[in-house]
Amino acid sequence: DTAVSQTPKYLVTQMGNDKSIKCEQNLGHDTMYWYKQDSKKFLKIMFSYNNKELIINETVPNRFSPKSPDKAHLNLHINSLELGDSAVYFCASTPGTGLAGGRSSYEQYFGPGTRLTVT
Amino acid sequence: GQQLNQSPQSMFIQEGEDVSMNCTSSSIFNTWLWYKQDPGEGPVLLIALYKAGELTSNGRLTAQFGITRKDSFLNISASIPSDVGIYFCAGQGSGGSNYKLTFGKGTLLTVNP
Repeated sequence: DTAVSQTPKYLVTQMGNDKSIKCEQNLGHDTMYWYKQDSKKFLKIMFSYNNKELIINETVPNRFSPKSPDKAHLNLHINSLELGDSAVYFCASTPGTGLAGGRSSYEQYFGPGTRLTVT
Repeated sequence: GQQLNQSPQSMFIQEGEDVSMNCTSSSIFNTWLWYKQDPGEGPVLLIALYKAGELTSNGRLTAQFGITRKDSFLNISASIPSDVGIYFCAGQGSGGSNYKLTFGKGTLLTVNP
């Protein structure tokens, strides 16, 4: 009955490899996000999708490619992994799309995180 | 872009003490949210504030949306060991995307039993 789930929880890989992280939410939310949390715990937004459409694309290397097969899933694929990609990646979701979705649209619900270690 | 200044960066308190932390911004925010992150977990929403001056409680937690719409504070009363964690403020600003939250850098709270 987990609301926002991510797999895997831990991912250890070598530089240059390609890896994917998966996220699923069973809350019926329309909007999903990927965040990167660095070693100083700063949460930085990377991408957001609303009903499978990309709506936020921050300054992120194009080695990172999100994909949303349906509104309940948002995956993150990373090509040619680098040491600096090591971080915890969080998926999050919200009910709606800002003003159109009502006040609770801004309330983001986070997954448990995926700790990526690149060696 | 919009930035939030969250303070203090860390706090060390004794069990039973009250705690206060705050966030300020140079720009106006329409929504303030407070999250707590336990070690190895994702942030969990504690309180959401939608109106300037709004004061909302959740158990021992109380948060307020500043009148100027540029600040918010979170108080924790009678702290207990399980209050340990990182507390984040987050805001949705009038000048930014409706879908995007700006996060503070967090306040690390340590409670000594």
